[in-house]
Amino acid sequence: GDSVTQMEGPVTLSEEAFLTINCTYTATGYPSLFWYVQYPGEGLQLLLKATKADDKGSNKGFEATYRKETTSFHLEKGSVQVSDSAVYFCALSSQIAPGNTGKLIFGQGTTLQVKP
Amino acid sequence: DSGVTQTPKHLITATGQRVTLRCSPRSGDLSVYWYQQSLDQGLQFLIQYYNGEERAKGNILERFSAQQFPDLHSELNLSSLELGDSALYFCASSARGGPSTFGSGTRLTVV
Repeated sequence: GDSVTQMEGPVTLSEEAFLTINCTYTATGYPSLFWYVQYPGEGLQLLLKATKADDKGSNKGFEATYRKETTSFHLEKGSVQVSDSAVYFCALSSQIAPGNTGKLIFGQGTTLQVKP
Repeated sequence: DSGVTQTPKHLITATGQRVTLRCSPRSGDLSVYWYQQSLDQGLQFLIQYYNGEERAKGNILERFSAQQFPDLHSELNLSSLELGDSALYFCASSARGGPSTFGSGTRLTVV
């Protein structure tokens, strides 16, 4: 079945460092890919998405490119801030019927801690 | 505020009991999803309703059930609760083809 694998955390960085969180997926067809972020004590917020190969999603300085050839959707940010400390989830949504209901399959989450 | 409202925010109950979690989707969204987040299982899809009908089922236990009402709000019923059911339960909603918007969750503690 479809699945998502993320790099294990926690990831600890100093402020202004470069961030990469790896995400790879297994899916039939061409899923939509997402990054969600969960701040402490809160629900999940959509950070960015990409719906087809070579699409680049971007938001708040974060970027991720849908790479079909490597089945990857790695999250990057050039300069992290303390306020970026959170748990980041990579997820996919199948586009192949009967699976194309919009339900999300999540990776295990990666905790990011940014120190001043 | 995401527009998806979940109540209650916290719930503490004893083993063997039954609870009901409630979710009001974003205005106009017809799909409601329920997810369970636990330390050992991560984020798992439980069930989806679309405009009142069950659309997809995931790793939902037989002790759990859900429904979506004509006003589109949804309830997740958890019965014969066990310690292992302690988790964060999220509701999400979406418009057709759109990404899901999540509520802030209900934290269930079974003692």
